[in-house]
Amino acid sequence: DSGVTQTPKHLITATGQRVTLRCSPRSGDLSVYWYQQSLDQGLQFLIQYYNGEERAKGNILERFSAQQFPDLHSELNLSSLELGDSALYFCASSVEWAAGQYEQYFGPGTRLTVT
Amino acid sequence: AQSVTQPDIHITVSEGASLELRCNYSYGATPYLFWYVQSPGQGLQLLLKYFSGDTLVQGIKGFEAEFKRSQSSFNLRKPSVHWSDAAEYFCAVGYTGGGNKLTFGTGTQLKVEL
Repeated sequence: DSGVTQTPKHLITATGQRVTLRCSPRSGDLSVYWYQQSLDQGLQFLIQYYNGEERAKGNILERFSAQQFPDLHSELNLSSLELGDSALYFCASSVEWAAGQYEQYFGPGTRLTVT
Repeated sequence: AQSVTQPDIHITVSEGASLELRCNYSYGATPYLFWYVQSPGQGLQLLLKYFSGDTLVQGIKGFEAEFKRSQSSFNLRKPSVHWSDAAEYFCAVGYTGGGNKLTFGTGTQLKVEL
């Protein structure tokens, strides 16, 4: 158990719908990262938040957005869902293991199925 | 931009045999490198990491990896594989700046024959 929690574990929804994925980082970790794992794209970085502010952005679609709240939990919002958005979505939080270097601990993921 | 290549999509080894999973990275500066393992239906577990210092790093579950700058490689090894090691293994590269995001390889699926 990494200490990172994600809810829900599974989500099945229809095209065009909107969903919210939730992540709670490990106690004390200020950074939260979101990744998408799909068969065709592999594991891709979506976005990072640090203490409530967006820190880095990856291949995140405009239909997707995220935020980090004052209690440091984060939510990833996916809207106008398409079949291709079906994937496993991971959240990670990080701890500094050397000056400026961080290791990321991953949650169990949310499996999203769009039908 | 940095990239990671794991040339072996699938590898099958017998239990008790040695294992080496290959990872090559492309990045201009010194990267920091990770190996993660993902069991079916599970999240990613960190096996080991490298940034600087001794180029041979030890990780959990008896794994080790060696950083070779001249070959831009960070191969994962285990001297004797156990059936429970069957999983998917991902090599990842990060760098200082840019928020420390990780770029992952495509993964190597390890099958262990009893």
